[in-house]
Amino acid sequence: GQNIDQPTEMTATEGAIVQINCTYQTSGFNGLFWYQQHAGEAPTFLSYNVLDGLEEKGRFSSFLSRSKGYSYLLLKELQMKDSASYLCAVVDSNYQLIWGAGTKLIIKP
Amino acid sequence: ETGVTQTPRHLVMGMTNKKSLKCEQHLGHNAMYWYKQSAKKPLELMFVYNFKEQTENNSVPSRFSPECPNSSHLFLHLHTLQPEDSALYLCASSQDWGGGGRDSQETQYFGPGTRLLVL
Repeated sequence: GQNIDQPTEMTATEGAIVQINCTYQTSGFNGLFWYQQHAGEAPTFLSYNVLDGLEEKGRFSSFLSRSKGYSYLLLKELQMKDSASYLCAVVDSNYQLIWGAGTKLIIKP
Repeated sequence: ETGVTQTPRHLVMGMTNKKSLKCEQHLGHNAMYWYKQSAKKPLELMFVYNFKEQTENNSVPSRFSPECPNSSHLFLHLHTLQPEDSALYLCASSQDWGGGGRDSQETQYFGPGTRLLVL
């Protein structure tokens, strides 16, 4: 079966750095997405990785290792508005998106 | 604002009611999706339409009936639902269908969702 694993919930402090991990076992791999979803709102696109390595976009970075079936989302200089759920999704060999259950990130002052 | 709107935002219905959810995208995309999101569970893909043609139906019960009159509009008709159907129903669109992987054209843009409660 296909599986995406990410922690259910994480807590971090304003101004700090947090890393949200995602591991996957899928039938093939054609890219990995990270989305942010604030409570009661639409998921919004954050990043897309298809090659190994780190993609940096402002305070957010996303890393991919295809050989390890592993990705992480790195958030720096955390702000209260970063409190949200972060969804990891993998594109399988049929170009279908397989979604993780999401990680709820709580930022404390 | 992602360019995808959904109405209503909240809906309460009895098990014998018939209602419809509406989604509209203003992005000029060719593919539209219906997802079900339940608490602490992964997004469940329900239906995919590409150029108005249904391309995916992930074993969704017949009490959910999609309709796609054109590339900009997508409906989900609901009838005789069960309490376990209570969830957030999300609509999404992308430039092309395929879920991603070839380029960013398959990045999906989501609407705010309809919070459905079935009594």
